[in-house]
Amino acid sequence: EVQLVESGGGLIQPGGSLRLSCAASGFTVSSYYMSWVRQAPGKGLEWVSIIYSGGSTYYADSVKGRFTMSRDNSKNTVYLQMNNLRAEDTAVYYCARALYSSDAGFWGQGTLVTVSS
Amino acid sequence: QSALTQPASVSGSPGQSITISCTGTSSDVGGYDYVSWYLQHPGKAPKLMIYEVSNRPSGVSNRFSGSKSGNTASLTISGLQAEDEADYYCNSHTSGSTVVFGGGTKVTVL
Repeated sequence: EVQLVESGGGLIQPGGSLRLSCAASGFTVSSYYMSWVRQAPGKGLEWVSIIYSGGSTYYADSVKGRFTMSRDNSKNTVYLQMNNLRAEDTAVYYCARALYSSDAGFWGQGTLVTVSS
Repeated sequence: QSALTQPASVSGSPGQSITISCTGTSSDVGGYDYVSWYLQHPGKAPKLMIYEVSNRPSGVSNRFSGSKSGNTASLTISGLQAEDEADYYCNSHTSGSTVVFGGGTKVTVL
């Protein structure tokens, strides 16, 4: 059974750093493209980052230079390192397998990141 | 990276059909057959309803169908039911190897 479990969210002060983890089971993360998607309170879905099976990563303009997505094949886990956090980064962060192709449809339960002093 | 354009809300009576549009550019929706649609109920993770423009995952009702013409993709829900009331989001692959979502559409069953 395919499962994605996010962790690492919490309350952090502006300017701080946080690392989110997304542990996968039931499939090998390195064989699929994986994404992080966030949803601010009461707002819509916003794509954050993607890592392709070949290892290339891409980011939304709103997080470029501050967030880094990576993958540990030995742990079958993807990560989102978030630095220089801002109030506007407050959201539930979801990891997802694929997004728009036949491999899509698997999301984690989300982890809440709150950036506030 | 401009968001895809969706109507903020669409409503219909039970049994009716409704269509949600998702307008992008030739660099995203119009350039690739990598458009998907998600349904989201409050407080829940999104659920995939359509992938690659018009394909339904196993288990999704055939009342849901997707299509694309030019830079606009569409999701049609036929035989509208109370359980279809939710927020719907489209997304697309882009020429920059990124992903873009629509702003979301709230579907109300009258």
